[in-house]
Amino acid sequence: DTAVSQTPKYLVTQMGNDKSIKCEQNLGHDTMYWYKQDSKKFLKIMFSYNNKELIINETVPNRFSPKSPDKAHLNLHINSLELGDSAVYFCASSQTGTSGYTFGSGTRLTVV
Amino acid sequence: KQEVTQIPAALSVPEGENLVLNCSFTDSAIYNLQWFRQDPGKGLTSLLLIQSSQREQTSGRLNASLDKSSGRSTLYIAASQPGDSATYLCAVRLNNAGNMLTFGGGTRLMVKP
Repeated sequence: DTAVSQTPKYLVTQMGNDKSIKCEQNLGHDTMYWYKQDSKKFLKIMFSYNNKELIINETVPNRFSPKSPDKAHLNLHINSLELGDSAVYFCASSQTGTSGYTFGSGTRLTVV
Repeated sequence: KQEVTQIPAALSVPEGENLVLNCSFTDSAIYNLQWFRQDPGKGLTSLLLIQSSQREQTSGRLNASLDKSSGRSTLYIAASQPGDSATYLCAVRLNNAGNMLTFGGGTRLMVKP
């Protein structure tokens, strides 16, 4: 049973399009995250979200927005995609005060 | 601002060697430190989690140590095997809002048969 699952695994789209990546966790964790891994393999936080607050990394363009329909889901919506948005996006979850992180397998986004 | 550095960036060793991967961080006010493994084109697999009050954690052939005061952690791999070939990532979590991790750039390990 997959703990943190992301869909789709691969996404190829044209510049200017709007797309969403879905994430679900079945661990009962209270916090979910989105990370971006660029072509140099550096992983950087984009968002941290639990049912109390959303924390946004100030470097993230406002074209990116997380949407959480419930505690187990945190989707990433991207407007007006740009070439520089091409990267691997990872969803993760953790439980406040206790555990480490569990990561999903990533979504490779290619903007053409 | 927390910065995490991993040395070396790449390492190639023959099978059977014991090896040490290094991680350093600039802000010692950490909540915990986690070591991950990433295989090419794959996600991250958690290897070891060290809470700020702990000095080390062990799992099989892996041992991770933490020296918070000096801002250092090491991952020791005993009797390396070709299946250990992967990128190893160190990440620290600060005592602040959001529970966010700051990652190092990783060490790309190749173990030759």
